[in-house]
Amino acid sequence: AQKVTQAQTEISVVEKEDVTLDCVYETRDTTYYLFWYKQPPSGELVFLIRRNSFDEQNEISGRYSWNFQKSTSSFNFTITASQVVDSAVYFCALTDNYGQNFVFGPGTRLSVLP
Amino acid sequence: DSGVTQTPKHLITATGQRVTLRCSPRSGDLSVYWYQQSLDQGLQFLIQYYNGEERAKGNILERFSAQQFPDLHSELNLSSLELGDSALYFCASSAKAGGLSFSYNEQFFGPGTRLTVL
Repeated sequence: AQKVTQAQTEISVVEKEDVTLDCVYETRDTTYYLFWYKQPPSGELVFLIRRNSFDEQNEISGRYSWNFQKSTSSFNFTITASQVVDSAVYFCALTDNYGQNFVFGPGTRLSVLP
Repeated sequence: DSGVTQTPKHLITATGQRVTLRCSPRSGDLSVYWYQQSLDQGLQFLIQYYNGEERAKGNILERFSAQQFPDLHSELNLSSLELGDSALYFCASSAKAGGLSFSYNEQFFGPGTRLTVL
């Protein structure tokens, strides 16, 4: 069965610190997709990134970067120079090539303090 | 504003009842996804439709059903409601998915419908 673990339940950092959110996944599929979503205190969900299992290139988008390591089944998310607006719950998710068995991690609550 | 609308915003009903949640995707988006977020179960994917056809199915209960209409709006029907169905239900849409294989393009989420079952 597919599984996503986000071991960090809550993280607090001070503004401008870098922070990494961990995501470890389990799957027997060779083709799969990984995602990160953000849920700010207002409650809406925001899609951040999708990565397929054949693309191991790390990605950078502004202050956000993602490190995909198939060898350790991890897809970690780093925020550089964090800001108060980054405070949110962040979810990692996994699905197979057909959109079945879509699984979310339990989320990591990030608090960025001024 | 994501461009995805969901109605109603809040819904309060009693156990055993049936409700319909509505989602209008962004203009031009063919895929619609439904998710449930509850305190007990966390965030769960329910179902995806693409251009009127069911494309992927997640942890959707048999008491729940969904459909996507020719104008691409989607409805999620929840029946024989139980206390545990109380949750935030999100709809998302994405642009055309390519080919026959599953392709999760960037999704845009609606604000959600908060369902309370008393």
